[in-house]
Amino acid sequence: EAGVVQSPRYKIIEKKQPVAFWCNPISGHNTLYWYRQNLGQGPELLIRYENEEAVDDSQLPKDRFSAERLKGVDSTLKIQPAELGDSAVYLCASSFWGRDNEQFFGPGTRLTVL
Amino acid sequence: SQQGEEDPQALSIQEGENATMNCSYKTSINNLQWYRQNSGRGLVHLILIRSNEREKHSGRLRVTLDTSKKSSSLLITASRAADTASYFCATDAGSGGSNYKLTFGKGTLLTVNP
Repeated sequence: EAGVVQSPRYKIIEKKQPVAFWCNPISGHNTLYWYRQNLGQGPELLIRYENEEAVDDSQLPKDRFSAERLKGVDSTLKIQPAELGDSAVYLCASSFWGRDNEQFFGPGTRLTVL
Repeated sequence: SQQGEEDPQALSIQEGENATMNCSYKTSINNLQWYRQNSGRGLVHLILIRSNEREKHSGRLRVTLDTSKKSSSLLITASRAADTASYFCATDAGSGGSNYKLTFGKGTLLTVNP
């Protein structure tokens, strides 16, 4: 079974530039999550989708971050414009609907903003 | 904000020894999960324990949950060099239905020396 796929694995950009991350969840998983993980910290949820609906985006900085999950499968997270403080690892995870279900994580995209 | 706090922050042991990591949290939870993260990789789900459970086993892993003390422990027995990783506890404190969110701690870095 293929795992959660993310691309790119690494991205280096200059501040004020836009950047986008892509995630393809495990087939059949209707719930998709985007997390941000700063160095030495645990992941923090940015947004959760149930199918194509964003059901929890309370932690997403909406002035510069946007996300979409068209057709309820793969998803894109965008930052525009990027700031120095956005340097982090962006993790995508997926699961079957509902609590008590383990989340399967992708390898992440390491973003460096210069 | 991060609800779970792991202790210790770092742990170094010899192969074959047991490793114990603790997690404390602040609010009532529905379940608590432990995840492992190898260097530069995504997180892998290890075990989930529900609020009405006190102990759970999975292979060399043993998890306990004390809701009165708002704490959990993860025991890895007969450790191996391959167990070297960061270990995170994650709590689900949502009110029910679709209102759930995993909140991760900062993690414990375990080093198992050959």
